[in-house]
Amino acid sequence: DTAVSQTPKYLVTQMGNDKSIKCEQNLGHDTMYWYKQDSKKFLKIMFSYNNKELIINETVPNRFSPKSPDKAHLNLHINSLELGDSAVYFCASSQMTRGGYTFGSGTRLTVV
Amino acid sequence: DAKTTQPNSMESNEEEPVHLPCNHSTISGTDYIHWYRQLPSQGPEYVIHGLTSNVNNRMASLAIAEDRKSSTLILHRATLRDAAVYYCILRDVLGGGGADGLTFGKGTHLIIQP
Repeated sequence: DTAVSQTPKYLVTQMGNDKSIKCEQNLGHDTMYWYKQDSKKFLKIMFSYNNKELIINETVPNRFSPKSPDKAHLNLHINSLELGDSAVYFCASSQMTRGGYTFGSGTRLTVV
Repeated sequence: DAKTTQPNSMESNEEEPVHLPCNHSTISGTDYIHWYRQLPSQGPEYVIHGLTSNVNNRMASLAIAEDRKSSTLILHRATLRDAAVYYCILRDVLGGGGADGLTFGKGTHLIIQP
């Protein structure tokens, strides 16, 4: 069983569209995250979500919004996609106070 | 999270040990030292973490300096599959540090020569 799974793996879309990326973890972790890795390979945290508490990186545009239906899922919605949103997006989970993080395999988003 | 400093790249030969250094001179008492690696076209992968004592697992060993201002990730016998970017990250587990996520630097690009 995949511990942290993301869908889709690849997403190609036009500017201005709205899209979602889904993430699910089966590890029983209490905190989930979204990271963005740009073309220069820098990994930057976008959001963390724990017990309905959302912590947002202040540099993330409000076109990006995480939605968590339950503690095992954290989906990423993106409105009005822009060319600069093209990147690989990683979902991750952890048990907040201990242990390591487990990352998904990533979603490569290409905006054309 | 406190900052870490790593060499941009290192090169090693297959089947030899690899020592990846990390400096973290501003580490606090509640910072755990985490190591992750990212293989090409994959998500980051947890390698090992520790607080004060040296740690061993099936993937690697972590040697932590007595003053905790530096650490070394040791791959005992490198294979071609170990070629990746290795990240040394401090994680403060108090004061909601976990909820803020891991802060990734540039990491060390490890090249393994056959």
